[in-house]
Amino acid sequence: EVQLVESGGGLVQPGRSLKLSCAASGFTFSNYYMAWVRQAPKKGLEWVATISTSGSRTYYPDSVKGRFTISRDNAKSSLYLQMNSLKSEDTATYYCARQLIRGFDYWGQGVMVTVSS
Amino acid sequence: DIQMTQSPASLSASLGETVSIECLASEGISNDLAWYQQKSGKSPQLLIYAASRLQDGVPSRFSGSGSGTRYSLKISGMQPEDEADYFCQQSYKYPPTFGSGTKLEIK
Repeated sequence: EVQLVESGGGLVQPGRSLKLSCAASGFTFSNYYMAWVRQAPKKGLEWVATISTSGSRTYYPDSVKGRFTISRDNAKSSLYLQMNSLKSEDTATYYCARQLIRGFDYWGQGVMVTVSS
Repeated sequence: DIQMTQSPASLSASLGETVSIECLASEGISNDLAWYQQKSGKSPQLLIYAASRLQDGVPSRFSGSGSGTRYSLKISGMQPEDEADYFCQQSYKYPPTFGSGTKLEIK
């Protein structure tokens, strides 16, 4: 059974940093692109980052480029999101997701990040 | 970026009723369109990919259609468990973008 379990969320002040983790199991992690998708409270879904199977290629939207870094450790079947210079508009539930060409086929339960002073 | 305009924003349906949700892309996306269901307090689940292909385990009352810039999700016979938010998403071009969502409730 595919499982994605996020951790590392919490309350952080504007301008500070936070690192999210996602532990994957039930599939060969190194064979798949992985992504982070976020959802602000009562809002829609926003793609945040994608990483290739080896980690050599990463993709970001303009809203987080230069502030967020996605990475992975295939030996540990783990995905990470380093978030720097956080802003109030980064407040959201962050989902780890397995990404196929056809879409995001498995999602974690999500972890809440609140950016507030 | 490709904009995905989803409609309606909300609708209510009676049990057994057939409902449709639409997504309009700002440019052609060559059927690279997925639909997700998100129940209250849960993470999204992939329902349909490539515009019309049903993800494994999804009931056959769900179907997708469309081409070019216009796509739709149909639920043939509303069930209580179908009460949820629904989102479309294009994977034709980076960045992947989502529609704003449709809240489906039971009447």
